[in-house]
Amino acid sequence: AQRVTQPEKLLSVFKGAPVELKCNYSYSGSPELFWYVQYSRQRLQLLLRHISRESIKGFTADLNKGETSFHLKKPFAQEEDSAMYYCALSRTGTASKLTFGTGTRLQVTL
Amino acid sequence: GAGVSQSPSNKVTEKGKDVELRCDPISGHTALYWYRQSLGQGLEFLIYFQGNSAPDKSGLPSDRFSAERTGGSVSTLTIQRTQQEDSAVYLCASSFVTGDGYTFGSGTRLTVV
Repeated sequence: AQRVTQPEKLLSVFKGAPVELKCNYSYSGSPELFWYVQYSRQRLQLLLRHISRESIKGFTADLNKGETSFHLKKPFAQEEDSAMYYCALSRTGTASKLTFGTGTRLQVTL
Repeated sequence: GAGVSQSPSNKVTEKGKDVELRCDPISGHTALYWYRQSLGQGLEFLIYFQGNSAPDKSGLPSDRFSAERTGGSVSTLTIQRTQQEDSAVYLCASSFVTGDGYTFGSGTRLTVV
């Protein structure tokens, strides 16, 4: 069975502070990990995926297979980063269902 | 189309009635997924279609829920004899066969009164 855990329902940080949204997973095969973001009144959209190894809007995430984690990080939070963030997992290489975590609401305050 | 289109955007129905939710995926996307988003529950997988293969129905919560995809394009999710616990946002997504370009629609907010 595949499972994604996001331990924090809400993360509140000040503007300019570092951000780390935690994600842990369990999966017996070779996983592909994603972060999705949902801004207020907008549809859910892909933020980044681990195989791309890219930085989007200043966010990065590294897959740590030893710790089975895929934490999302940004060195300096901006107000526009306030949103709901979901970590998700799927099987590698072909279209398959995504298993989502319960999400973390990031609130960036002045 | 340019994106995944879902209709209606909002649906209020009486308990016990049947509802149909529609999803029009991105042209060329062979995979189509339905999810349910409830407050505090995250996104719950319901069903997945891939080309002409048999759908993965493992996430459907009860036999009141069914879905079909006609002609490999538009999909309809049907909920029979709706219950209050069915109230949620129902999301549709589509992707290429490789899993790339997984794109969500804006959802249908279902309220059962």
